[in-house]
Amino acid sequence: DVQLQESGPGLVKPSQSLSLTCTVTGYSITSDYAWNWIRQFPGNKLEWMGYISYSGSTSYNPSLKSRISITRDTSKNQFFLQLNSVTTEDTATYYCARAYYGKGYAMDYWGQGTSVTVSS
Amino acid sequence: DIVMTQSPSSLAMSVGQKVTMSCKSSQSLLNSSNQKNYLAWYQQKPGQSPKLLVYFASTRESGVPDRFIGSGSGTDFTLTISSVQAEDLADYFCQQHYSTPPWTFGGGTKLEIK
Repeated sequence: DVQLQESGPGLVKPSQSLSLTCTVTGYSITSDYAWNWIRQFPGNKLEWMGYISYSGSTSYNPSLKSRISITRDTSKNQFFLQLNSVTTEDTATYYCARAYYGKGYAMDYWGQGTSVTVSS
Repeated sequence: DIVMTQSPSSLAMSVGQKVTMSCKSSQSLLNSSNQKNYLAWYQQKPGQSPKLLVYFASTRESGVPDRFIGSGSGTDFTLTISSVQAEDLADYFCQQHYSTPPWTFGGGTKLEIK
């Protein structure tokens, strides 16, 4: 079965970079699908941040475009989120998720999420 | 960006009742080339990650009970729970996955069970 697991620091200082890892088991990230990062703010609003496709191409939310980078390590079947120059507004639960073009890129598998607090 | 608006923001229903919730988009989600509406519904139970219920507005994800029914086209969409169960207590989100990102979510509907 496909599983996604987020990991990374739970506390980041303002102006620093936030770095998270999504480890995928049960499916190769180079075989198909788009591999996404989504965040959920306190109060429950969801924001799609971006994806890296099975081919390595990326797409980002324009609201984040100057600060975000999504990369991958195919040997470890992992993909990564880096968000630069964070502020308290970036405090959220961060999820990684798989999106399938056959379902119109709806997200059919999600990680359990990791909470990140931006605070000095 | 396409703005997604959900209503109501919350509702409380008794077990066995029919539940309907609405999702409206600021532009059409209908792809004229394949006649599919790029609208998904997710269920998020307390303390859990979102779970895909419906995609293409009305296609139920594998394993989702048939009491969950997605409908609508263009800019107006509905998620119906034909006979709500206690385990359906959750937040429900719609998401447009139309064309080029950014993909956007509605603000959610919180379902409480009386």
